[in-house]
Amino acid sequence: AQTVTQSQPEMSVQEAETVTLSCTYDTSESDYYLFWYKQPPSRQMILVIRQEAYKQQNATENRFSVNFQKAAKSFSLKISDSQLGDAAMYFCAYRSPLGGSNTGKLIFGQGTTLQVKP
Amino acid sequence: DVKVTQSSRYLVKRTGEKVFLECVQDMDHENMFWYRQDPGLGLRLIYFSYDVKMKEKGDIPEGYSVSREKKERFSLILESASTNQTSMYLCASSTGGKNIQYFGAGTRLSVL
Repeated sequence: AQTVTQSQPEMSVQEAETVTLSCTYDTSESDYYLFWYKQPPSRQMILVIRQEAYKQQNATENRFSVNFQKAAKSFSLKISDSQLGDAAMYFCAYRSPLGGSNTGKLIFGQGTTLQVKP
Repeated sequence: DVKVTQSSRYLVKRTGEKVFLECVQDMDHENMFWYRQDPGLGLRLIYFSYDVKMKEKGDIPEGYSVSREKKERFSLILESASTNQTSMYLCASSTGGKNIQYFGAGTRLSVL
């Protein structure tokens, strides 16, 4: 069974600085998808970034980028130029490829709470 | 924009009560999911559904059941609520292609 581990329960960063959130996973599959979701306080969880395992190029979305190391099974999230609105809980998630009975269910890590200091 | 709506943000129930949590999505998504979120444990899948009247157990289905009579609505049922079911419950929906899951705002349930 696949597992996802976020070893940093809490992180903090100064506004305008850069922070990296760690995520490792365990799988025997070669093709899969990885996600970072953001859950602001009392607000809906939203997708931050998505990475397909077959793509070597790291995904980027504006100030958010990932460092995907397939061999090491590592998928870290880098937030550049941190803003107060980035304060949230961040979840790393794994998804197997679709097919058969697999309807795309996600396996989540424990979450990392990010504090942004002004 | 995709909208996933959960009927209640906060609920307080008594032990032994039957509890219904409702979720509605407006994007004609085939797949719907119910997760439970607890501190230090992340989100854990309770049940999911890939079509009307179809359901599959997730990782922690014990004490829960679900109903999907219409494509847009997915209900989570606690037949006899217990204190260990006090938690945040999140509903999500997705479709094929990129299969990104879209989440509701969550229902914080307290069972006293």
